[in-house]
Amino acid sequence: ETGVTQTPRHLVMGMTNKKSLKCEQHLGHNAMYWYKQSAKKPLELMFVYSLEERVENNSVPSRFSPECPNSSHLFLHLHTLQPEDSALYLCASSLLGGTSWDTQYFGPGTRLTVL
Amino acid sequence: AQKITQTQPGMFVQEKEAVTLDCTYDTSDQSYGLFWYKQPSSGEMIFLIYQGSYDEQNATEGRYSLNFQKARKSANLVISASQLGDSAMYFCAMREARSGGSNYKLTFGKGTLLTVNP
Repeated sequence: ETGVTQTPRHLVMGMTNKKSLKCEQHLGHNAMYWYKQSAKKPLELMFVYSLEERVENNSVPSRFSPECPNSSHLFLHLHTLQPEDSALYLCASSLLGGTSWDTQYFGPGTRLTVL
Repeated sequence: AQKITQTQPGMFVQEKEAVTLDCTYDTSDQSYGLFWYKQPSSGEMIFLIYQGSYDEQNATEGRYSLNFQKARKSANLVISASQLGDSAMYFCAMREARSGGSNYKLTFGKGTLLTVNP
């Protein structure tokens, strides 16, 4: 596989469920990102990991818990979500310190619906 | 104030014609990068092209070119010879290299929905 992959592509969960989103990058990058895209709103950066260390947490509620076990994998653990958390969750990766202004490459996203 | 402004919620273009999607930005930094992404209905955000603020020449990538006018703070995307597969949402984004603050963040505009008609 090449690029950035995300699983699952679609997820429906109840407010009391616990689920996890997975992201994997095959680009040799050293930074990974989680974004949230709600209807009719610009993309919102949630978390940034650089060299497996969380370097940014953009005031995200604690019901979202990221994990980055290595530079190729990123998880977003979800628990007790609210219906307003329904959105497209996009993962991205980039090569920090490289050229091209650290261009971020995105995965296909997970479309999450919270009932 | 918005950092990235895309004033065209929707645009229509005939197949094989060129189209310009507008983007203006607001920053006090001297060093920044500007990006365009395409998002089809499937949801994936596809990187198209980027321009660094110190790049003197406009970026080009196949049928995509970026019309960068630094003094006017605009970074319009030009798509030549439109194809039906170009129908998608297009986002302009900026990354600033400020010190002391977040320099990882890509700030996105609200997007322009492009429809290519046969």
